[in-house]
Amino acid sequence: NAGVTQTPKFRILKIGQSMTLQCTQDMNHNYMYWYRQDPGMGLKLIYYSVGAGITDKGEVPNGYNVSRSTTEDFPLRLELAAPSQTSVYFCASSLAERGETQYFGPGTRLLVL
Amino acid sequence: DAKTTQPPSMDCAEGRAANLPCNHSTISGNEYVYWYRQIHSQGPQYIIHGLKNNETNEMASLIITEDRKSSTLILPHATLRDTAVYYCIGEERYGSSNTGKLIFGQGTTLQVKP
Repeated sequence: NAGVTQTPKFRILKIGQSMTLQCTQDMNHNYMYWYRQDPGMGLKLIYYSVGAGITDKGEVPNGYNVSRSTTEDFPLRLELAAPSQTSVYFCASSLAERGETQYFGPGTRLLVL
Repeated sequence: DAKTTQPPSMDCAEGRAANLPCNHSTISGNEYVYWYRQIHSQGPQYIIHGLKNNETNEMASLIITEDRKSSTLILPHATLRDTAVYYCIGEERYGSSNTGKLIFGQGTTLQVKP
C-alpha cells in the first residue's frame, strides 16, 4: 500500500513549456485534490475531483488543467509555464468529502525560469 | 469560510506537553475543525479533527471550547520529531453548506527543543 505517489519529485521548466504532474493513489478513494504551496504559505486548492470523470475548480485554477479518467490517477497539466507557477505541488486523496482524512503525496517541486 | 488564526511560532521543551491554540470565531455550527502538520517540506499529515466534542487519538487531543470559537491541539509528550508547522484548518463554505474543502492558513511553527 503506497498511498499517494507523485512524479516527478523536482522539475525545472522554461517559460512557455508544458508538463504534466502525475498523481496516483492506491486506496480506492473517490476524492482527489491538487494543491500548491508557495514559500512560507499554506496550501491553496487548485482543482479537485469527486470521482472518475468529474472535476471542478478550486481557489487558484488559472493556468492549470486536470483530468480524471480512472479512480487511481489525477494528473495536473501546466500548458504554458510562467514564473508565477514556481511552487511545490501536492496531491491528496480522501475517502469522503467531509470529516475524513486527506492523505497527501510527497510533493513535486517546480521551478519555472 | 472559517478563517483560523494561529500564533506564527511556539517553542516547547522535549517531553513536555505542547499546547497549540487556534481561534476560529466565524466557524459555523456544523463546520469541522481539522489539524494537520507539515514536517520540513513533506506533504501535510493528518492529526485530528472535531466538531463539537473534545477528541483524542494516538497522536494528540483536541479541545474545542463550548462556543466553538477556539480550540487547542495538545501533543502530550512532545519529541524532537514533532518539530513541524501545525495547521488549524476550517472548511470552505458555499452558501449555507460546508464543502469539506480545506482552507489552510499559515500555521504555527512548533520548535521542540532538547
